[in-house]
This record gives sequence, C-alpha cells and structure tokens, in this order.
Amino acid sequence: EPEVTQTPSHQVTQMGQEVILRCVPISNHLYFYWYRQILGQKVEFLVSFYNNEISEKSEIFDDQFSVERPDGSNFTLKIRSTKLEDSAMYFCASKFSVRGEKLFFGSGTQLSVL
Amino acid sequence: QQQVKQSPQSLIVQKGGISIINCAYENTAFDYFPWYQQFPGKGPALLIAIRPDVSEKKEGRFTISFNKSAKQFSLHIMDSQPGDSATYFCAALMNRDDKIIFGKGTRLHILP
Repeated sequence: EPEVTQTPSHQVTQMGQEVILRCVPISNHLYFYWYRQILGQKVEFLVSFYNNEISEKSEIFDDQFSVERPDGSNFTLKIRSTKLEDSAMYFCASKFSVRGEKLFFGSGTQLSVL
Repeated sequence: QQQVKQSPQSLIVQKGGISIINCAYENTAFDYFPWYQQFPGKGPALLIAIRPDVSEKKEGRFTISFNKSAKQFSLHIMDSQPGDSATYFCAALMNRDDKIIFGKGTRLHILP
C-alpha cells in the first residue's frame, strides 16, 4: 500500500528556534493535512491544504505556523519560534479527493522543544 | 458541540474475548464516523467507518454499531487477538468541514 513519508522521525530543538517538518504525501493525492498529538492526548487537526493554499486551519494554527508545498512532492510544516507546548507528535496526512473517505497518515515526527 | 467522547480510556481483554469501545457525540451535523487504529510509533490508520444511515457495519472481526437517536456509536472486536493490541480512536466529521474530530483514544491490551 502507498505510504505518506515523514522526516525526521524525531526532532529536538531549543525553545525559540525554527523547525521545519517534512512530509512526502502519496503521489496522486491532492489534499494535505497536518495533525498533532500531544503525549497521551487525542489527535488534533491543525490545517488542511489544497491547490497551494490553506483550506481550513484550527485555532492551534496561529501565526507561528505555516505550511508550504515547495515542489510537486513535498509538504512542509514550519514553526517559526517554537514553544515548550509545541512538543508533540506531528502527523502529515493526505487523500486523493475531498470526498475521499480514506485519509492516509504518516508515521509522524516527534518534536521535543527544550 | 465539536467533541467526541470516548470510553473507556484503557481496556484489557482476554484473547478470544469481545472488546467494546464506546463513543458519543453531540453535533448532529456529523455525517461520517471512522475508527482509527494506531500502533506505537505509527500514525493512525483507518480501520472501519460508518455513515448514519445504517445501524451496523461489519468487516471481518470488526463491527461498528450506530445509534443515531442516542448519538452513540461503538466498535466491537470479536475474537480479540494479541495483535489487536493498539490504541483505538473514534472520530467524526462533517463532509463540508473535511477535518476529523478525534476522541481521546482507548488503549486496548489483549492478554495472550
């Protein structure tokens, strides 16, 4: 089965530093997402992205966050100035169509902000 | 209104037994209810899903029961196996929103 690939699997950073989390969605997918999961808590929606623009974002996704699809294969999440509370597992996900029912998740990037 | 409440938080079941996880929602605009399975170190993976126009959906050992009037749905795992040990998330979404609202998850452990 095709996979969503995320790199790195673990990222450790100092508070206030910028981080970029990278994702390679499934090649023919058109809709891209970031979710996060703070340890022991539920998975939370951050942002959806289609046709090179944000479709929807949650209240978590403030001005410190941005997303980009810099080329035909990568989808990135940037956190400009990390805070301790940004420590979480970040999942990228993709699907082929907006009404497509199966959302494919990557294995995640564990971000630790010290 | 946007919440999905899931219980129990953790569950231990003997091999061969039935695992039951329950969820409840408030927002009647939700029209798609998936269950995700997550193994350690992996992302959630779609297990089975249901729309509110049916009361039950079965795929192999996994069954969703849906009670629209009570705004509740549950996952039943028949003949539970040690390989089913994982975290299970119920979820809900509205097609027009395209974002998934997850429950808090249930850690299921099947005793060998």
